[in-house]
Amino acid sequence: GNSVTQMEGPVTLSEEAFLTINCTYTATGYPSLFWYVQYPGEGLQLLLKATKADDKGSNKGFEATYRKETTSFHLEKGSVQVSDSAVYFCALSDPRNYGQNFVFGPGTRLSVLP
Amino acid sequence: DTAVSQTPKYLVTQMGNDKSIKCEQNLGHDTMYWYKQDSKKFLKIMFSYNNKELIINETVPNRFSPKSPDKAHLNLHINSLELGDSAVYFCASSHGGRATGELFFGEGSRLTVL
Repeated sequence: GNSVTQMEGPVTLSEEAFLTINCTYTATGYPSLFWYVQYPGEGLQLLLKATKADDKGSNKGFEATYRKETTSFHLEKGSVQVSDSAVYFCALSDPRNYGQNFVFGPGTRLSVLP
Repeated sequence: DTAVSQTPKYLVTQMGNDKSIKCEQNLGHDTMYWYKQDSKKFLKIMFSYNNKELIINETVPNRFSPKSPDKAHLNLHINSLELGDSAVYFCASSHGGRATGELFFGEGSRLTVL
């Protein structure tokens, strides 16, 4: 079955540091890939997405590129802020499966210190 | 206006009780979901409905019964609550049954079973 693996947290960085959160997936076919973010006490919200190989999703300074050859979708940001502290989830959805059965990674908690 | 709203936000109850969580979306989406998030932030789909029809029913105890009176509502009823049911339950919605777009999440309902 489909699965998503992402790096264990927590990740603690100083403000303005470079961020990478690794995500790899296993899927049959060609899934769509997503990064969701969950701020404390809130629901998940879409951060960025990519629907085909070599697509780059970007939003709020975050980027991730859909790499089919390495089955990866790593999240990066050049300079993190305290407000980026949250839990980040990598996810995939197989467009062949009716019902949008999203599969989420276990989440990576990011703490950014001033 | 809140896009996906759930009530109640917090629920504390005794083992063996029956409780319900309600969810409403005003986005005009035709697909709605229930997810369970455990204490380690792991997110797992429970149910998915498309146009009031059940299309995903993961391995969930039959004490959990979803009900969709119309496309904009998906409620979750839980019978004979157990300690292990303590979690945050998220409702979500999307447009279309296939993985063409994002999931919109509610803020979550934190259930604590004593």
